[in-house]
Amino acid sequence: NAGVTQTPKFRVLKTGQSMTLLCAQDMNHEYMYWYRQDPGMGLRLIHYSVGEGTTAKGEVPDGYNVSRLKKQNFLLGLESAAPSQTSVYFCASSYPTRGQGLSYEQYFGPGTRLTVT
Amino acid sequence: AQSVTQLGSHVSVSEGALVLLRCNYSSSVPPYLFWYVQYPNQGLQLLLKYTSAATLVKGINGFEAEFKKSETSFHLTKPSAHMSDAAEYFCAVSDLETADKLIFGTGTRLQVFP
Repeated sequence: NAGVTQTPKFRVLKTGQSMTLLCAQDMNHEYMYWYRQDPGMGLRLIHYSVGEGTTAKGEVPDGYNVSRLKKQNFLLGLESAAPSQTSVYFCASSYPTRGQGLSYEQYFGPGTRLTVT
Repeated sequence: AQSVTQLGSHVSVSEGALVLLRCNYSSSVPPYLFWYVQYPNQGLQLLLKYTSAATLVKGINGFEAEFKKSETSFHLTKPSAHMSDAAEYFCAVSDLETADKLIFGTGTRLQVFP
């Protein structure tokens, strides 16, 4: 199993350009997430999906759009890139595990380093 | 809203010394708690998790964490540091109502000196 994969690994954009980041998982997980990681700020949730065809906003959704047309794929789009979107982007997927309650263990991809000039 | 605080953005230890990374959460209701590790240029990997069972949780690579409700803490420890433990460590929390979403701390970078 490849787990969670992300394409591309690196990208440089000019301000105003658009791009799409692709996340794929082969674990049949219902839940998928997009995060951004910035120095000293940890990971912040951009958007997430609880199943095929559904998406929801996270903590920092402005300037991003997402789509989940297939269960295994979760796309993150930047329509008009800004320097403030320079960051490392991580995709994750999860499934519920039942113990004393229902918890979700997230599995992460290797990340995409995006620079907007 | 649930939040998590990691005290100390950088921690340095000598090889063989005790590792202690601190994490405090905000909720009065015991949440689910996680520790993740991120090695350079890689994604995050789960070290261990607390989900209301045993308060002392053992994880991979010799790490463990103890849930202390009275202190709202979930500190990560390892008795003897190894050079390969150098990485960034993130504490994360979710609550019962939104268990499918994690709130991450800002991370602690661990350096291990020979």
